[in-house]
Order: sequence, then C-alpha cells, then structure tokens
Amino acid sequence: AQSVTQLDSHVSVSEGTPVLLRCNYSSSYSPSLFWYVQHPNKGLQLLLKYTSAATLVKGINGFEAEFKKSETSFHLTKPSAHMSDAAEYFCVVSDEEEYGNKLVFGAGTILRVKS
Amino acid sequence: NAGVTQTPKFQVLKTGQSMTLQCAQDMNHEYMSWYRQDPGMGLRLIHYSVGAGITDQGEVPNGYNVSRSTTEDFPLRLLSAAPSQTSVYFCASSYGQGPRSGNTIYFGEGSWLTVV
Repeated sequence: AQSVTQLDSHVSVSEGTPVLLRCNYSSSYSPSLFWYVQHPNKGLQLLLKYTSAATLVKGINGFEAEFKKSETSFHLTKPSAHMSDAAEYFCVVSDEEEYGNKLVFGAGTILRVKS
Repeated sequence: NAGVTQTPKFQVLKTGQSMTLQCAQDMNHEYMSWYRQDPGMGLRLIHYSVGAGITDQGEVPNGYNVSRSTTEDFPLRLLSAAPSQTSVYFCASSYGQGPRSGNTIYFGEGSWLTVV
C-alpha cells in the first residue's frame, strides 16, 4: 500500500525567497505523484504531476518538483515566493495497481509568506 | 464548462439527521470519488465509482452511502449524521484509466458540513 509523508506541517518564508516543501512517498509500484494547492475556503487545484516521464516536472505559477526514486522523494520548489502562494499544499500519490484513481494524500503543509 | 459541481457548499445538521451531498460533472468522466478533509489528515477516500452502476468503498466508508445511476451524478448520503462526520467533503472526477494515462483528476470546491 502506498503512503505519503509531508515532512513539515508549516513552512514560513519571506516574499522573494525560495520555497521548499518536502514530500516522501512509499509505493509498491511505480507511482504517479502530484502536488495540489488549496487556498483558504477553496477547492483543490493541481499544481503539477509526475507520471513516469521526465523526473523534473514543471507546474503552474513557477513551481516545480523533482522525482527522486532512490530517495523516494518528490519535493516541491519555487525560486521566489509571492504573497499569493500562501496556501496549504498537498503531496499526493496514486498507485496504478489500484483500480479507480484512488489517491493517497499527505497531511498537508501550510505555507506562510511574510512581507 | 462547469467542471465538478458540489451542493450544498455549507450545511449544518443535527445528530441523527440524514442528508445527501450532491456531485455532478459535465465532462463525461468515468471515475468519480468522494473524499473528506480533516485538519492534519489530508484527504481520505470515502467511496469511489469506476462507472455508472459500479461503486466501491474507500478508506473511511462507514456512515456513508453512494450510488451511481448516471455517468454525471455521484451523490453521497449520510445515513444518520454524527459529530465525527463534521468535515469538508470533496468530490472528484477523471476520465480514463488513471493518472498515468495523463488524465487529470478534477475536484469540486468542497462542501462544509457541521453536525451538532
């Protein structure tokens, strides 16, 4: 069975500085991995996804993530934080052996951006 | 393009009451699912469906019922509401065999449910 661990429940950065949100996964098979963002009282928006193509994945709003199989990690980064990036971020794994698009979510990381 | 539409957005229930959360998608997606979101726990799968007439249980199915009579609709029923079911509920849908096929999973905007 697959699982996801987001290593930080809260991350605080200053505007204009880099963002790093850490995610480790566990999966019996080659997983698909995603990052979703949720702004307060809003739904979930897909930032980016890894589906066994290039290991460095670029997403929306300047975010990117690198799939590292040897480290079972899928960390999310952004070179320069913007105030609008303040939100909760979820790392998600989907195991293709599970029929039906079942996703397993991490507990979430709340990103705070200071001016 | 409406995407995934959930209603109601907010609801307060008394313990023991029943209600139905509605979910509809207009993208002809085969796969639909319901998640609940609780603080510090991410989203957990309640029930899912791989097509009309086919449903199955997820991680936390107790106290919930679903049906899939049409491709478009996937309602979630709370049979006898309990305070432990206070949560935010998300419906999701996607087309095709799975994420590896490149198919994106779309989420509704959520339904905030409080059981008192």
